[in-house]
Amino acid sequence: AQSVTQPDIHITVSEGASLELRCNYSYGATPYLFWYVQSPGQGLQLLLKYFSGDTLVQGIKGFEAEFKRSQSSFNLRKPSVHWSDAAEYFCAVGTLTSGTYKYIFGTGTRLKVLA
Amino acid sequence: ETGVTQSPTHLIKTRGQQVTLRCSSQSGHNTVSWYQQALGQGPQFIFQYYREEENGRGNFPPRFSGLQFPNYSSELNVNALELDDSALYLCASSRDNSPLHFGNGTRLTVT
Repeated sequence: AQSVTQPDIHITVSEGASLELRCNYSYGATPYLFWYVQSPGQGLQLLLKYFSGDTLVQGIKGFEAEFKRSQSSFNLRKPSVHWSDAAEYFCAVGTLTSGTYKYIFGTGTRLKVLA
Repeated sequence: ETGVTQSPTHLIKTRGQQVTLRCSSQSGHNTVSWYQQALGQGPQFIFQYYREEENGRGNFPPRFSGLQFPNYSSELNVNALELDDSALYLCASSRDNSPLHFGNGTRLTVT
């Protein structure tokens, strides 16, 4: 069965520190992978996506993610976190089944940034 | 470019009632999907509409139904509301298999 696992429910980092959020997926075919961010009371904003090609993808707000097929992972990174990055982050895999394209989301990682 | 807009932003209903949530797709998008996000969880796929037809459904009962209109706007209807239906309902639009663009959601509280 297709699934997405985000092992860390909460992560706290100091402003200016580096960040890595983990994501592991289970999907039989080549996955479409996404990271979204959700601020309180808001919808989801796309940070970056992987469809094919270069396994290191750049996104908005200085985020990047690396697709590692051998580890079934798509971890999100940022070299220096800003206080405004505090939010909830969701990893998702896009699946195509019987003509329906749907996303399976992880349970999210809530990021807290210390000043 | 107009993004995905949803209405209302908040709603309180009583168990057993019916509710309709509305969504306007982003300009140029022909596919709309609905997701339910319970507190502390990731969004769960409810269903997807393309060319006014439902073309995929998640693990939700038939009392969850929807419509897509010729202008690609959409409605989500939920009948016989249950307490567990309390959640943030997210509408997302896309064109073909482009990434989903989400609205800010409707927060439904069932008492």
